[in-house]
Amino acid sequence: KAGVTQTPRYLIKTRGQQVTLSCSPISGHRSVSWYQQTPGQGLQFLFEYFSETQRNKGNFPGRFSGRQFSNSRSEMNVSTLELGDSALYLCASSKDRVDSPLHFGNGTRLTVT
Amino acid sequence: TQLLEQSPQFLSIQEGENLTVYCNSSSVFSSLQWYRQEPGEGPVLLVTVVTGGEVKKLKRLTFQFGDARKDSSLHITAAQPGDTGLYLCAGLLGEYGNKLVFGAGTILRVKS
Repeated sequence: KAGVTQTPRYLIKTRGQQVTLSCSPISGHRSVSWYQQTPGQGLQFLFEYFSETQRNKGNFPGRFSGRQFSNSRSEMNVSTLELGDSALYLCASSKDRVDSPLHFGNGTRLTVT
Repeated sequence: TQLLEQSPQFLSIQEGENLTVYCNSSSVFSSLQWYRQEPGEGPVLLVTVVTGGEVKKLKRLTFQFGDARKDSSLHITAAQPGDTGLYLCAGLLGEYGNKLVFGAGTILRVKS
């Protein structure tokens, strides 16, 4: 069974640009969550989507947005990039039970210069 | 401040030693999960504890959930170089959806 796939693996952008990251969940998983990981702040919850609806949201500015498609694939968008947005962005999928384990992808490493 | 305080931040030990990692909070969690992450990869779930006082064993790893469901510990017996990695605890907040709050992590290095 294929795991969670995130593309691209690495991305270099310039301040002010925008970026879109993609996540394909494990087949049958309807919940997709996004996390930002940095050395200083650790793993921080961005948002969770379930059945194309945002179900939970973390404390990030509106520049961070996401969406989920009918096939459960998800995209995350960051607009007006700042240097502080440099991080590893992780996507995780799970089944639709609240206590289902999260399966993480290997992340997209975003560097903003 | 972190909702989940994890300690220690770094641990460097010799092969064969025992160690314990702690995860503490003032909040009550419906469940608590432990993950291990290696460089260049995403976190991988080790265990989920749900009931206060619960103890789970995974080979040489023992996980405990506090009676009040506010804290947890991970104990590794006879550590091996293969145990090297970043260990993360994460608490599930709320009754709806998957909103995990992570501790800052413990970087473990086991030297042979």
